Amino acid sequence: DIQMTQSPSSLSASVGDRVTITCRASQSISSNLNWYRQKLGQAPHLLIYTAFTLQSGVPSRFNGSGSGTDFSLTISSLQPEDFATYFCQQTYTASNSFGQGTKLQIK
Amino acid sequence: QVQLQESGPGLVKASQTLSLTCTVSGGSISGDDLFWSWIRQPAGKGLEWLGRIHSSGRTRYSPSLKSRVTMSVDTSKNQFSLRLTSVTAADTAVYYCARDPRASYYGSGNYYETYYMDVWGKGTTVSVSS
Repeated sequence: DIQMTQSPSSLSASVGDRVTITCRASQSISSNLNWYRQKLGQAPHLLIYTAFTLQSGVPSRFNGSGSGTDFSLTISSLQPEDFATYFCQQTYTASNSFGQGTKLQIK
Repeated sequence: QVQLQESGPGLVKASQTLSLTCTVSGGSISGDDLFWSWIRQPAGKGLEWLGRIHSSGRTRYSPSLKSRVTMSVDTSKNQFSLRLTSVTAADTAVYYCARDPRASYYGSGNYYETYYMDVWGKGTTVSVSS
């Protein structure tokens, strides 16, 4: 089955910083890649789908890129509500598996 | 706007069957490209997709749970349900339901289908007791 590996597992940054999270698939998944943000104690929230399409209502500071096996999520200017855990998810194979998550913390 | 609400027992005995229902409000459960998924998350851990169902009853389950999972839909009640048999402590988790629309795109001359979970319920905690 496809393994999704996110890096880093955790990251410390400040409000206003630009950060990038990466997600690598163990085999090609074309652009079948979604990104979610999960705030503490809440359900995940869709940010990006098909690798780069910004979900309606999501701020433009979020940007997704990549295809095949390597993907990234960039937040151009961190806001207080962005300190959360981020997950990538592939929908290319039957498992629809997630990455292990990247926890973004305030420095 | 569309809202989802999970319901069901918060405690299930080991070896028994976990049953949850997701009620959809603010919109119809039916639609050609509308699918509905179940996802779970053990405390402090990552997310696991369990499967999805279409209003027609068509299902797709995660291979790792396929032998224990059954999903069903009741369009008259705008609800869909999850059954997980032979539960163990490893099934203790927060269970979420989500709307999971299907999209399509072309890449390198090939046609692809994908899904994205754009509306989620708040989640319900299910504990398995011995």
